[in-house]
Amino acid sequence: DIQMTQSPSSLSASVGDRVIITCRASQSISTYLNWYQQTAGKAPKLLIYAASTLQSGVPSRFSGSGSGTDFTLTISSLQPEDFATYFCQQGSSVPFTFGQGSKLEIK
Amino acid sequence: QLQLQESGPGLVKPSETLSLTCTVSGGSISNYNYYWDWIRQAPGKGQEWIGNINKAGNTYYNPSLKSRVTMSVDTSKNQLSLELSSVTAADTAIYYCATHPPRNNWFDPWGQGTLVTVSS
Repeated sequence: DIQMTQSPSSLSASVGDRVIITCRASQSISTYLNWYQQTAGKAPKLLIYAASTLQSGVPSRFSGSGSGTDFTLTISSLQPEDFATYFCQQGSSVPFTFGQGSKLEIK
Repeated sequence: QLQLQESGPGLVKPSETLSLTCTVSGGSISNYNYYWDWIRQAPGKGQEWIGNINKAGNTYYNPSLKSRVTMSVDTSKNQLSLELSSVTAADTAIYYCATHPPRNNWFDPWGQGTLVTVSS
């Protein structure tokens, strides 16, 4: 199985800050990397697919980059509704696997 | 727009079989050539992909769970089902259903999830 490692596992930031979350795959997955946002009690929401394509309706302050084994999710200017948990998922091969999540909290 | 909703017992005894249903609304399973997935998240851990099924009933299970998992689809009820046998406390998790088209291996949408606790 492909192992997905996210960092940091948690971080504190303020409204307006720029935040970067990283995801590393244990082997090359090309650009088969997806990012999700999850808030407590709600369904996970797809933010970015294929490493850098913004899902329809997702604000442009979210962006993704990377290929091969190293990927980043960037939030350019944090908004109050962005404080949530973010996780990555590889879609390169089954079984699909996920990062352990990065919890973004208000400083 | 598709919506998914999981349902089932919130408490299952060790060694018994966990049974969950995912009801699809906003569209008919029969009209979509999609994969319908089950994913779970144990407390304090990341998500784990359990497997998927298509409308024809073709399945792919995570090898780590394959010996205990059975998925089925009922197109007449527009529902998916998950059974996990011989459960232990390690199977305590929030269980989600989700979907994706072939070759687009990202999950959208997801259901809200249902918590299943394994305890006597």
